Amino acid sequence: KQEVTQIPAALSVPEGENLVLNCSFTDSAIYNLQWFRQDPGKGLTSLLLIQSSQREQTSGRLNASLDKSSGRSTLYIAASQPGDSATYLCAVEGSYIPTFGRGTSLIVHP
Amino acid sequence: EAGVAQSPRYKIIEKRQSVAFWCNPISGHATLYWYQQILGQGPKLLIQFQNNGVVDDSQLPKDRFSAERLKGVDSTLKIQPAKLEDSAVYLCASSLAEEQYFGPGTRLTVT
Repeated sequence: KQEVTQIPAALSVPEGENLVLNCSFTDSAIYNLQWFRQDPGKGLTSLLLIQSSQREQTSGRLNASLDKSSGRSTLYIAASQPGDSATYLCAVEGSYIPTFGRGTSLIVHP
Repeated sequence: EAGVAQSPRYKIIEKRQSVAFWCNPISGHATLYWYQQILGQGPKLLIQFQNNGVVDDSQLPKDRFSAERLKGVDSTLKIQPAKLEDSAVYLCASSLAEEQYFGPGTRLTVT
């Protein structure tokens, strides 16, 4: 059974900081890993998808890396802004059903 | 491009009542997912469709939950009868290839 863990569970930082969110998974036989953000009371918004053959993906201030062999992914957010405040979730998909972590709740204060 | 549509957005029912949720995926997306998200947790997959066939429903409580996807487009998820522990947000997602796109969800409260 695949298990996905996200650390830290919560994070509060001042505006402008660079930060790293972590996602680990127990079964490395994945097809892809996807990072999402979820704003309170809303659905999930896709941020980045990394296929199993890729090492990283970038979109604007976001960079996600994937190390399948160690079962880890990191989401790097550069120059954080108050608008980045949300819960960030990672999900893995492989020969089993899509599995999500519990998320990291991020607050960026001015 | 229109996103994934879900209705209703909110529903309050008493335990033992029935409820149904509707999802319209992004046009052309063959894969449709229903997830249950309990407060403070990540989404848990209930059922996955490929066109109108079921790919996985191993985590669907089949004694009370049912889902269908007619003609490989819209889908409905039903709970009958509801229990207090069914209070959650029910999320629908669709995908064309690997990337999943989510709807706004339906928040269900069972009293």
